[in-house]
Amino acid sequence: DQQVKQNSPSLSVQEGRISILNCDYTNSMFDYFLWYKKYPAEGPTFLISISSIKDKNEDGRFTVFLNKSAKHLSLHIVPSQPGDSAVYFCAASGVAQGAQKLVFGQGTRLTINP
Amino acid sequence: NAGVTQTPKFRVLKTGQSMTLLCAQDMNHEYMYWYRQDPGMGLRLIHYSVGEGTTAKGEVPDGYNVSRLKKQNFLLGLESAAPSQTSVYFCASSSLTVYGNGYTFGSGTRLTVV
Repeated sequence: DQQVKQNSPSLSVQEGRISILNCDYTNSMFDYFLWYKKYPAEGPTFLISISSIKDKNEDGRFTVFLNKSAKHLSLHIVPSQPGDSAVYFCAASGVAQGAQKLVFGQGTRLTINP
Repeated sequence: NAGVTQTPKFRVLKTGQSMTLLCAQDMNHEYMYWYRQDPGMGLRLIHYSVGEGTTAKGEVPDGYNVSRLKKQNFLLGLESAAPSQTSVYFCASSSLTVYGNGYTFGSGTRLTVV
């Protein structure tokens, strides 16, 4: 039972354009959402997060939008740069078995073309 | 500042062999986690620990054991390796809450079981 889903395994975007990565979740008890970026042969690194009480959070070129009614969040990158080529994981925070844990989506591989 | 260090980085095991993966963090984090990453499956939680001397099962714990004898170290053991355990293993740590920057990940251990 996949609680966090990223339905697009890959996305290709031209440099300078907007990249939009999507994520859906099923558990309404999730209270915090995060995006991680992963380069080959490295561990995931934190990118941006949003609390469930907000609908938007912005950090430079990166903006995360949360639509709680649709249980959907998205990451916008604008303008996209070649260094943004990586795998992006969506994650949701929830409490289970008395501990707070992150549940990750399958990841979306973003390729920025020059 | 090393953050989260995983050893070894690569390992090839024969079916039935055993091994231990070591994770060390120098951030005084309470929580530590072991995830595995498989193509199309994202990051799945194997075991986690909410403090020294405590461990708990995650989403895919079968075939693995863990120990957290010291706060800074979290060991993942495979008693009898199987080809299905071929994967990339990531250790992560966090403070008492995952809000803000979430987890800090190590760079991963690529394990192949033949």
